[in-house]
Amino acid sequence: GAVVSQHPSWVICKSGTSVKIECRSLDFQATTMFWYRQFPKQSLMLMATSNEGSKATYEQGVEKDKFLINHASLTLSTLTVTSAHPEDSSFYICSAIGVTEAFFGQGTRLTVV
Amino acid sequence: SQELEQSPQSLIVQEGKNLTINCTSSKTLYGLYWYKQKYGEGLIFLMMLQKGGEEKSHEKITAKLDEKKQQSSLHITASQPSHAGIYLCGADNGLMGNTGKLIFGQGTTLQVKP
Repeated sequence: GAVVSQHPSWVICKSGTSVKIECRSLDFQATTMFWYRQFPKQSLMLMATSNEGSKATYEQGVEKDKFLINHASLTLSTLTVTSAHPEDSSFYICSAIGVTEAFFGQGTRLTVV
Repeated sequence: SQELEQSPQSLIVQEGKNLTINCTSSKTLYGLYWYKQKYGEGLIFLMMLQKGGEEKSHEKITAKLDEKKQQSSLHITASQPSHAGIYLCGADNGLMGNTGKLIFGQGTTLQVKP
C-alpha cells in the first residue's frame, strides 16, 4: 500500500484564495520531504525541500512567500499555495525518502478558476 | 547542474513487442530511479540502480546502469497494454544516491496497441 499519502487528490479554487495540500508519511518518519510541480506534458520539477522543524529550502525561481511550506511533525508536510492564480494550476506531488528509496504521494491536481 | 535526457520522447508499439527507453545523464549517476506515471497521477516506483553495471528486473521490466554510470536503459519484454504510461528516470545527486531529492528526465510516453 501507499507509504506516502497526499490530500486532496484534486482541488478547484477561485483566483485569489489559498489552498493547502498535505503530505503524510504513513509507515515511517520523514525529517525531509520534497515538493514537486508538474505542468501538462512536462516532467516533474523540484520546488522545495521541506525540513522538519526548520525552514524549507526553495529552488531557484520558486517564490517562498507564495508557496508556504510547513513541516511541523515527522510525518506531515503541508504546502499552501497563497493567493492562487490560474497560472498556478498544476499537478503538485510530494515525496519522502524511506530506507532505500524515495516514495511519492498520489499527487494533487490544482485548478484555479 | 545535472540534466537527464530521455529517448525516445514517445513510443507506440504493438502488443507483444519488446522496447527500450534510454536515460542519459550529463554527470555521474549516484542513484538512478525509474518510475511509471499515468498522466495526472502519482509515480509508481519501478527500480533504483546505484552501481555501475548493475541490472535489476521485475516481471517483464529490466533496468540497467552502464559501467560509467552515465546512462541507464529500461527494457520491457513482450509489452502489454498495462505497460502503457509515462516512464520517468530520476537522478539522485547525493553521493550515496539516496537523498530523495531527484532531478527528472522529460519522460517517455508509451502506448501499446492491442
